[in-house]
Amino acid sequence: ETGVTQTPRHLVMGMTNKKSLKCEQHLGHNAMYWYKQSAKKPLELMFVYNFKEQTENNSVPSRFSPECPNSSHLFLHLHTLQPEDSALYLCASSQDLGGNEQFFGPGTRLTVL
Amino acid sequence: GDSVTQMEGPVTLSEEAFLTINCTYTATGYPSLFWYVQYPGEGLQLLLKATKADDKGSNKGFEATYRKETTSFHLEKGSVQVSDSAVYFCALSDSKNSGGSNYKLTFGKGTLLTVNP
Repeated sequence: ETGVTQTPRHLVMGMTNKKSLKCEQHLGHNAMYWYKQSAKKPLELMFVYNFKEQTENNSVPSRFSPECPNSSHLFLHLHTLQPEDSALYLCASSQDLGGNEQFFGPGTRLTVL
Repeated sequence: GDSVTQMEGPVTLSEEAFLTINCTYTATGYPSLFWYVQYPGEGLQLLLKATKADDKGSNKGFEATYRKETTSFHLEKGSVQVSDSAVYFCALSDSKNSGGSNYKLTFGKGTLLTVNP
């Protein structure tokens, strides 16, 4: 595998389910990001991790819980979501937080019923 | 705060047509400007960037010039191909200092481009 991978690519869940999104980067980067991409809206930065430490939570509801066990892996745990949370969730990584290029994964298309 | 406004799509062109996608921005510091492209079923890829006024970013036949006087970063290509069909995002990262950098990207809403053979 190369670049940034995300699993699953598609996920359908009910509002009472618990699920997790996984992101893995094979680039040796130290910073990782979660973004939300909704139709007809700009990408929204959700969380930022640098060297496994969370450096930003962009006022994201607590039903989204990130986890970064090491610099290569990033998870987004989902619990009691709402239909308006349906979106494409993109993971990205960069060498550091110094403004270097961010490399994006293909995203997980989430549908909340 | 910072913001990016890009022309709403969709944009539909015939192969070999000229492409312009307009992008304007507001920023409080010293922004770097970017164009990202998202092909169907894929994540965003950096297409080109410019870090200071009058810089021209270019890649794969696409160009954009950082115009501080008009706060614009319009994307152009002289002859589009079917393979250019994708969503294009204009973005900026702002820095408090000239020559500085910031990982936070502010994106436009995206413009869907469809190129027909």
